[in-house]
Amino acid sequence: DAKTTQPNSMESNEEEPVHLPCNHSTISGTDYIHWYRQLPSQGPEYVIHGLTSNVNNRMASLAIAEDRKSSTLILHRATLRDAAVYYCAPGNKLVFGAGTILRVKS
Amino acid sequence: DTAVSQTPKYLVTQMGNDKSIKCEQNLGHDTMYWYKQDSKKFLKIMFSYNNKELIINETVPNRFSPKSPDKAHLNLHINSLELGDSAVYFCASSQDEGRYSEQFFGPGTRLTVL
Repeated sequence: DAKTTQPNSMESNEEEPVHLPCNHSTISGTDYIHWYRQLPSQGPEYVIHGLTSNVNNRMASLAIAEDRKSSTLILHRATLRDAAVYYCAPGNKLVFGAGTILRVKS
Repeated sequence: DTAVSQTPKYLVTQMGNDKSIKCEQNLGHDTMYWYKQDSKKFLKIMFSYNNKELIINETVPNRFSPKSPDKAHLNLHINSLELGDSAVYFCASSQDEGRYSEQFFGPGTRLTVL
């Protein structure tokens, strides 16, 4: 499984965009990059995934570097409900590291 | 309607006991999983089943035995519980076992071994 590096925590103001980075320099060529988030006392929740191209869905966008060694999850307008731990998980199996705690200020 | 449900939500027990956690999904998915999340929030897969057949069995002690009576259920039985088994256990399901399949997680079972 590819090792990941994410910032321990980030802070955003409500209604502003948030860019959550993830380094996964040991990713293999066929590994998908998954992003999940976990609200307090809840199970993880799928956010988005991609392979090579940038991806958009109703929750977020995923920007994948050309060499695939890093990716960035973009929340276009953070809300208080987006406060959670965000996990980047490249690979065929889900393995979460420590993730990034996102705090959203009103 | 709850998509993936687990019981119990909390489980407190003594070392050496045997306990079970139940999981059910009503999404019609073919694949189900058990994950363990430790105190540092690291989450790792333990098992996965596809259509009642075991497809992933990570390095998990033999004391852990999953059982899938049908596609909608995946239970986890743990024998001779140890202090190190204390964690939150999540059940999840996905449409299939594809590498890109979105997984839906249950609310978790917090196991505390005293």
